Amino acid sequence: RKEVEQDPGPFNVPEGATVAFNCTYSNSASQSFFWYRQDCRKEPKLLMSVYSSGNEDGRFTAQLNRASQYISLLIRDSKLSDSATYLCAVNQRSQGNLIFGKGTKLSVKP
Amino acid sequence: NAGVTQTPKFRVLKTGQSMTLLCAQDMNHEYMYWYRQDPGMGLRLIHYSVGEGTTAKGEVPDGYNVSRLKKQNFLLGLESAAPSQTSVYFCASRPLGGIGETQYFGPGTRLLVL
Repeated sequence: RKEVEQDPGPFNVPEGATVAFNCTYSNSASQSFFWYRQDCRKEPKLLMSVYSSGNEDGRFTAQLNRASQYISLLIRDSKLSDSATYLCAVNQRSQGNLIFGKGTKLSVKP
Repeated sequence: NAGVTQTPKFRVLKTGQSMTLLCAQDMNHEYMYWYRQDPGMGLRLIHYSVGEGTTAKGEVPDGYNVSRLKKQNFLLGLESAAPSQTSVYFCASRPLGGIGETQYFGPGTRLLVL
């Protein structure tokens, strides 16, 4: 089993749709979790950290389920500008090495 | 602040040539990382450094060497480039602190080895 796995995608949705991404991790000792956004031919940029209690930032909601070892990202009222690849990342070592999922591509259509 | 910068942005090499990729950060971060990103493979860690003068191997270190002589710079070297090293290389850094601290990425270097 891969350390971090994501939905393979791609997700093609209309504007205004709600879309959810899931990411599972294999190491129960994992301690920090993140969602990154990567635009085509650009570097990954932090979208959200994921906290145990769940957290929300505008149209974006991230949740963590430690018992089932997965994190999720929900995007409500999706916009054309949300089109990108979404990467989940897990940090489980003191050195801060992030382990990334392969990413899920989202295309929001008019 | 410029954040994390990478030099060069794009390079074409012939098999067997050598080159050095430079990563610089002006955020006084302790930790620095080199990743490669390939289609279908995601981001994979090559080498990392937890401070000036220290380096360690990541997931895919073979064929690469690194040096961290100055805190702000992290160099990635290819001694004898191979076509399998064609990739996009990202450098990242993060501050000293809890593991809740995330990483900040540079814009990437696109390398083509012929």
